[in-house]
Amino acid sequence: GENVGLHLPTLSVQEGDNSIINCAYSNSASDYFIWYKQESGKGPQFIIDIRSNMDKRQGQRVTVLLNKTVKHLSLQIAATQPGDSAVYFCARGQNFVFGPGTRLSVLP
Amino acid sequence: NAGVTQTPKFQVLKTGQSMTLQCAQDMNHNSMYWYRQDPGMGLRLIYYSASEGTTDKGEVPNGYNVSRLNKREFSLRLESAAPSQTSVYFCASSEAGGGDTQYFGPGTRLTVL
Repeated sequence: GENVGLHLPTLSVQEGDNSIINCAYSNSASDYFIWYKQESGKGPQFIIDIRSNMDKRQGQRVTVLLNKTVKHLSLQIAATQPGDSAVYFCARGQNFVFGPGTRLSVLP
Repeated sequence: NAGVTQTPKFQVLKTGQSMTLQCAQDMNHNSMYWYRQDPGMGLRLIYYSASEGTTDKGEVPNGYNVSRLNKREFSLRLESAAPSQTSVYFCASSEAGGGDTQYFGPGTRLTVL
């Protein structure tokens, strides 16, 4: 079956540092991935997406890297802020498979 | 634009009771979805509707039914609630089906005693 999973359940970073959240997938046919952010008590929110014809995509303070050779993608958050504290999910776009999420805690 | 709205926000049921969770979107999206999220776990797809008039089972459909009432509304019904259905339920919508970004509602927290 399809697996989309994250390497670490929790991640703590100092405010101002960069954060890297990782995700692995098993289906080599996957061609569209989405990163979502879920704050406590709220529904997931879209952050950034990437298609398989790209290796990298940048947004505002966020970058997603896709390594198709090892079936791995990562979300990088620059200059992490307290408002970035949340659970981050990677998801494969085609069949609505979500990983369990990584909880990012930003330390003052 | 309200986006995706869900009612109720909270609900407590007794085992065996029935209820319907309501979801509506005002983005003119074609596809709608129902997920459940249990503590420490990711989202699991219950049912989805790729377009008005169609519904399909997801990963965990047992114990649930859905109705795509019109393009805007997609309801989830629990006919006979069980404690295992205690969860947070999220509705989502997307412009198209697979391969498209989903927009989520705020969720319904359901407790079955």
